[in-house]
Amino acid sequence: GQNIDQPTEMTATEGAIVQINCTYQTSGFNGLFWYQQHAGEAPTFLSYNVLDGLEEKGRFSSFLSRSKGYSYLLLKELQMKDSASYLCAVRNDYKLSFGAGTTVTVRA
Amino acid sequence: GAGVSQSPSNKVTEKGKDVELRCDPISGHTALYWYRQSLGQGLEFLIYFQGNSAPDKSGLPSDRFSAERTGGSVSTLTIQRTQQEDSAVYLCASSWGGTEGSPLHFGNGTRLTVT
Repeated sequence: GQNIDQPTEMTATEGAIVQINCTYQTSGFNGLFWYQQHAGEAPTFLSYNVLDGLEEKGRFSSFLSRSKGYSYLLLKELQMKDSASYLCAVRNDYKLSFGAGTTVTVRA
Repeated sequence: GAGVSQSPSNKVTEKGKDVELRCDPISGHTALYWYRQSLGQGLEFLIYFQGNSAPDKSGLPSDRFSAERTGGSVSTLTIQRTQQEDSAVYLCASSWGGTEGSPLHFGNGTRLTVT
């Protein structure tokens, strides 16, 4: 089975940094994805990790530790437009299993 | 088209009626997925198509749900005798398939409300 946990909500101030953690226990592993989803819109791809370590993409970075079943998404220099839900998803073969998502609210 | 297209964007139906949801994947994408997203819950896998292979229907919640993909492109998800618990956003996604790092590209979804 698949078990993917992430916090329900986080609040941060514009310009700050927020770290969204994701822990997983899955029967197989072929990579971990992070998606961003604004209310009423489609999830959009942010990052992919398959090997341990940090992947950096502009203001967003994602980290993976396969031995710990742990990942985080780091959002730097927060902007109001970053207010959204962030979804952690684990790939097992072709299937992606998603966590319930973390709603991030950025305050001015 | 440039992205995954789903129609209708909203559907309100009476309990017991049948509905059809349509998905046009990105051209050239061989893999197609249907997910369901209920309020406050994660995306729930429903069904997966890859090329001409038999689909993985393991996520369909009941035999009232079915899906087909014609010509390796457009897909239709059909829900028969809808129930109130079927109310959710139904998301379609496509990808290149066969490549681990190939991300899923999602459509904007169909919001289904069963009254």
